[in-house]
Amino acid sequence: DTAVSQTPKYLVTQMGNDKSIKCEQNLGHDTMYWYKQDSKKFLKIMFSYNNKELIINETVPNRFSPKSPDKAHLNLHINSLELGDSAVYFCASSHLGRGGNIQYFGAGTRLSVL
Amino acid sequence: GDSVTQMEGPVTLSEEAFLTINCTYTATGYPSLFWYVQYPGEGLQLLLKATKADDKGSNKGFEATYRKETTSFHLEKGSVQVSDSAVYFCALSVNAGGTSYGKLTFGQGTILTVHP
Repeated sequence: DTAVSQTPKYLVTQMGNDKSIKCEQNLGHDTMYWYKQDSKKFLKIMFSYNNKELIINETVPNRFSPKSPDKAHLNLHINSLELGDSAVYFCASSHLGRGGNIQYFGAGTRLSVL
Repeated sequence: GDSVTQMEGPVTLSEEAFLTINCTYTATGYPSLFWYVQYPGEGLQLLLKATKADDKGSNKGFEATYRKETTSFHLEKGSVQVSDSAVYFCALSVNAGGTSYGKLTFGQGTILTVHP
């Protein structure tokens, strides 16, 4: 039973296309996150939702649009994909404010834009 | 803003060697500190954490102590194994309200390779 699951695991697409990545957590957490890991392994927060409300929105192009239909899901839609969007995208979840805010991560989605 | 600095890698050790990976931080407010580990092809897993000054986090033989006076959270293990080969990330999360509440700020990661 995977706690935080992302689909797809791999995504290969052409520049200019629109794609979505889905994330689901079954931990009963109230907060979900998207992180981007670049080719040098550096991880940076993109978005965070708490109880379906956006609470963190870092400097991300507006081609990226997160959507949280409920507390257990946080999807990421990307319009007009660019070469620089190639990266590994990680979803995470936590109970905000509890126990130091331990975050649990999905296995990642490797996006390759050709 | 908040930041985390880890020692440059990669780090290559022989099995049973002693490991130290340095981590220092700057933060507004009172951060919780974490070490996460990423095995090849996998997501991040929490290795250990500390939520206040002088706390020691430990797991699987790894330890780190929250040192407020030196703003450090160095990771140590007395005897590494081949299976410890992975990327290690130091991270902080600020425990206060505001627009940054909840986000993890990561160091750049340290690649560890352990040879038999």
